[in-house]
Amino acid sequence: EAQVTQNPRYLITVTGKKLTVTCSQNMNHEYMSWYRQDPGLGLRQIYYSMNVEVTDKGDVPEGYKVSRKEKRNFPLILESPSPNQTSLYFCASTPGVSGANVLTFGAGSRLTVL
Amino acid sequence: AQSVTQPDIHITVSEGASLELRCNYSYGATPYLFWYVQSPGQGLQLLLKYFSGDTLVQGIKGFEAEFKRSQSSFNLRKPSVHWSDAAEYFCAVGLWTGNQFYFGTGTSLTVIP
Repeated sequence: EAQVTQNPRYLITVTGKKLTVTCSQNMNHEYMSWYRQDPGLGLRQIYYSMNVEVTDKGDVPEGYKVSRKEKRNFPLILESPSPNQTSLYFCASTPGVSGANVLTFGAGSRLTVL
Repeated sequence: AQSVTQPDIHITVSEGASLELRCNYSYGATPYLFWYVQSPGQGLQLLLKYFSGDTLVQGIKGFEAEFKRSQSSFNLRKPSVHWSDAAEYFCAVGLWTGNQFYFGTGTSLTVIP
């Protein structure tokens, strides 16, 4: 089944404890991206990647890092999480680099930072 | 400023009633337009999209949307709502540059029996 898989789905952590949210897609998609969803703010893009080793900042990149060493994987790294990063995170991918492509989303990762 | 606006934060409708969710965008050129639905505890799923051509597009689950260039709008409609339509709905745009997508703040739909 074609899908985007995120892990963990739920995580509670403490301020400053580094964590990684993994994202993997099995569709050979070129483009991958991370979003955070907050009440009243909708989805905001954190980082995106148009291909292996090519990443760029979205609208809210502060406090996050990403890497794209393999085409299928696009992990989101929080080096020193803070409470304002408590959010619902989504990874998504599309076949190519075009605004006409449909995003395929993962099921989401709910992160709480205490 | 570039934006996607969904003016209705929350809408409640009775089962069987019609539904219209509003979406306006503000970009220099007509972007690619999408509606996604998010059911509780799940990721977003595409309902429908508009790129060009016929301004009335059909999607899954009986939804349709109409693009109006003069109003920069892309409103979502359904003639008769089912209880299973209760979810959050997001309007989104994809830009010609291809490297970013922008979402509205979402409209939460409650369906009452």
